[in-house]
Amino acid sequence: KAGVTQTPRYLIKTRGQQVTLSCSPISGHRSVSWYQQTPGQGLQFLFEYFSETQRNKGNFPGRFSGRQFSNSRSEMNVSTLELGDSALYLCASSLGPGLAELNEQFFGPGTRLTVL
Amino acid sequence: DQQVKQNSPSLSVQEGRISILNCDYTNSMFDYFLWYKKYPAEGPTFLISISSIKDKNEDGRFTVFLNKSAKHLSLHIVPSQPGDSAVYFCAASVNSGYALNFGKGTSLLVTP
Repeated sequence: KAGVTQTPRYLIKTRGQQVTLSCSPISGHRSVSWYQQTPGQGLQFLFEYFSETQRNKGNFPGRFSGRQFSNSRSEMNVSTLELGDSALYLCASSLGPGLAELNEQFFGPGTRLTVL
Repeated sequence: DQQVKQNSPSLSVQEGRISILNCDYTNSMFDYFLWYKKYPAEGPTFLISISSIKDKNEDGRFTVFLNKSAKHLSLHIVPSQPGDSAVYFCAASVNSGYALNFGKGTSLLVTP
């Protein structure tokens, strides 16, 4: 079974631009969550989607948005990029709708975003 | 505010010995806990989890202990192997939701 895939793996953008990251969950998984990892803040929850609906959102500005498609694939978008948005963006998928044994969250390799 | 804390940034253990990684939390609403292992430039890999209705869960060389009264959990790795060298993250969830709160991680080095 293929794992969580994220594209692109690396991205360089300049301040003010916008970026779209993509995540394909494990086949059969309906929940997708996004996290940002930075050296200073560690891993922080961005948002979670289940069956195309955003169920939960972390404490990030409105420049960060996402969506989920009917095939469970998800995208996240960051508009008006700032230097501080440079981070590893991780996507995780789960069967849904909640954590339990044999229903944990599995992470993709991440997209490394650098904002210049 | 950091609701999940891993107070030891690093730990060094000899091969074959026990590795004990600790995690403290402040939010009494957390009801599901997970441990992940992470190598550089890769996403976290799920290791083991525990629900708040249990106090211990085992999977091979990995055992997680939960002490709810102390708001403390620990991961035991026995015996430790050089391949276990990685950063270990503790994570916690409210209402078993997928919005995980992560600790800052503990870097484990297992020496031959």
